[in-house]
Amino acid sequence: AQKVTQAQTEISVVEKEDVTLDCVYETRDTTYYLFWYKQPPSGELVFLIRRNSFDEQNEISGRYSWNFQKSTSSFNFTITASQVVDSAVYFCALSEALETSYDKVIFGPGTSLSVIP
Amino acid sequence: SQTIHQWPATLVQPVGSPLSLECTVEGTSNPNLYWYRQAAGRGLQLLFYSVGIGQISSEVPQNLSASRPQDRQFILSSKKLLLSDSGFYLCAWSAWDRTNYGYTFGSGTRLTVV
Repeated sequence: AQKVTQAQTEISVVEKEDVTLDCVYETRDTTYYLFWYKQPPSGELVFLIRRNSFDEQNEISGRYSWNFQKSTSSFNFTITASQVVDSAVYFCALSEALETSYDKVIFGPGTSLSVIP
Repeated sequence: SQTIHQWPATLVQPVGSPLSLECTVEGTSNPNLYWYRQAAGRGLQLLFYSVGIGQISSEVPQNLSASRPQDRQFILSSKKLLLSDSGFYLCAWSAWDRTNYGYTFGSGTRLTVV
């Protein structure tokens, strides 16, 4: 069965520190998608990244970077030089590539990040 | 471009009153539509999903129902609200085009049942 674990419930860092949010997933499929979403205090879920299970290249987008390792079933997210605006709840999610048109995405419990000025 | 609209943004309703939350998508056709609830400010629970007009599947038994009267319209309803229905409700859509696959969420409705 699918499962997404985000072991860190809450993290606090001082502004400009680097922080890594962990995500571990379980799936029996060889084809799947992984996602990260950000939920700022306003509540809206903001899409950050999608990664296909066949693409293990790490990705960097500005201060954000993602480390995908199939060997450990992890898809960790690092914020470099954190800023107060990074304070939010971050969700890791998993979707299996089903043959039907239904796309079920399983979300992890989320990690609440607080960046202290 | 595709957009998703969800309203109202906040709602305070008494116990036992009816509920109707609406979600519409623009700029895409035949999307998969979803209703999620986020209770206690954290985890996202999938309530309903729909792959087409009139096709609704429920993930968990509950006091709520969903309907899809038009291709890009998804409605969450209740005949009589319970206190436990309070939470943050999010509508989302995805398209069956895996070259650009992902969920897009609406801005959410914060429901408080009093």
